[in-house]
Amino acid sequence: GAVVSQHPSWVICKSGTSVKIECRSLDFQATTMFWYRQFPKQSLMLMATSNEGSKATYEQGVEKDKFLINHASLTLSTLTVTSAHPEDSSFYICSARGDSGWSQPQHFGDGTRLSIL
Amino acid sequence: GENVEQHPSTLSVQEGDSAVIKCTYSDSASNYFPWYKQELGKRPQLIIDIRSNVGEKKDQRIAVTLNKTAKHFSLHITETQPEDSAVYFCAARNTDKLIFGTGTRLQVFP
Repeated sequence: GAVVSQHPSWVICKSGTSVKIECRSLDFQATTMFWYRQFPKQSLMLMATSNEGSKATYEQGVEKDKFLINHASLTLSTLTVTSAHPEDSSFYICSARGDSGWSQPQHFGDGTRLSIL
Repeated sequence: GENVEQHPSTLSVQEGDSAVIKCTYSDSASNYFPWYKQELGKRPQLIIDIRSNVGEKKDQRIAVTLNKTAKHFSLHITETQPEDSAVYFCAARNTDKLIFGTGTRLQVFP
């Protein structure tokens, strides 16, 4: 149980393109989802916390107009990287937490490797 | 906010030896401390976790200890195997956020 599916797994696109990444909880309802970014050989950095039906909470230094997050249902959150540039190239990973509150573990998706040319 | 430090950044051991990774956290309100194993290009996988009301937890070859007073926690892997080679991350959770340490690259040589 507790499977999180993330798509696409790999994206290569031209500079200026907008890219949408989907994160789905397949067998549980996720009131809260989290988006992380991981640069090569570095740690996971929390970008934003996404709550179903409300606006996402962004971490300091993360541009909310650049990284649009939508959490329209209890099983789906999307991250859109708008007008992506080479410096946005990174590994983006989502995680989802079950409905029982913040004491529940986070379950991670497989990640999306984004390469902007 | 919470800050998690992790060391060492790299650790090389011979197969069969033990490996210990240590983390410290800054916010005494943090109450949940998971450890993740991440292989190259893959998702972090939860290997063990501990809550603040427990001092030690063990699962076969893996154990975690927590010292709330000193605000540090450690991962212990005994009888290491080559398949244990990966990057290990500690994390601390304060309310809703999971803050990760900087990672330890563990290499187990046959």
